[in-house]
Amino acid sequence: KAGVTQTPRYLIKTRGQQVTLSCSPISGHRSVSWYQQTPGQGLQFLFEYFSETQRNKGNFPGRFSGRQFSNSRSEMNVSTLELGDSALYLCASSLVAGRSDRISYEQYFGPGTRLTVT
Amino acid sequence: LAKTTQPISMDSYEGQEVNITCSHNNIATNDYITWYQQFPSQGPRFIIQGYKTKVTNEVASLFIPADRKSSTLSLPRVSLSDTAVYYCLVGDKTDKLIFGTGTRLQVFP
Repeated sequence: KAGVTQTPRYLIKTRGQQVTLSCSPISGHRSVSWYQQTPGQGLQFLFEYFSETQRNKGNFPGRFSGRQFSNSRSEMNVSTLELGDSALYLCASSLVAGRSDRISYEQYFGPGTRLTVT
Repeated sequence: LAKTTQPISMDSYEGQEVNITCSHNNIATNDYITWYQQFPSQGPRFIIQGYKTKVTNEVASLFIPADRKSSTLSLPRVSLSDTAVYYCLVGDKTDKLIFGTGTRLQVFP
């Protein structure tokens, strides 16, 4: 079974530009989450999508947005890029977000997109 | 917002048991506690998850006390290939997903 794929793997953008990152989850997985990883802040949750609906959102400004398509593929967009947006952006997929009445976070991560803002 | 803290780093030798603790003071009532391993230039990899008491799989054990305000990942007989950063992941009572600060484990021969 193919793993989570993310494109592009590397990206260099200039301040003020916008960027779109893409994620294809494992076949059959309907939940997709996005994370930002930086040396200073560590791994931070951006948002989660399930069946094309944003179900959960982290503490990031509105410049960060995402969407999920009917085939579960997801994109995230960052507008008006700032230097501080330079990070590794990780996508993770999971089968379901809940198991009976408990919330499972067994996720499978892609290799990430390394974004550099200059 | 929940604080999820871990020791910054740990050193061990091959063959030893390693225990890494994560403190999560505001964990949501219904959420599992999940642990991940991350190698350089790779996304985190799922290791184990549990709700309470003890869970064991082929690579690790997870100990969770009754109050669920902490959890301990136990790696039996580590090898050089276990050198990585380990993260806990929990949901807090405001429905936010919080990764721990990460523990860099270095295994020496």
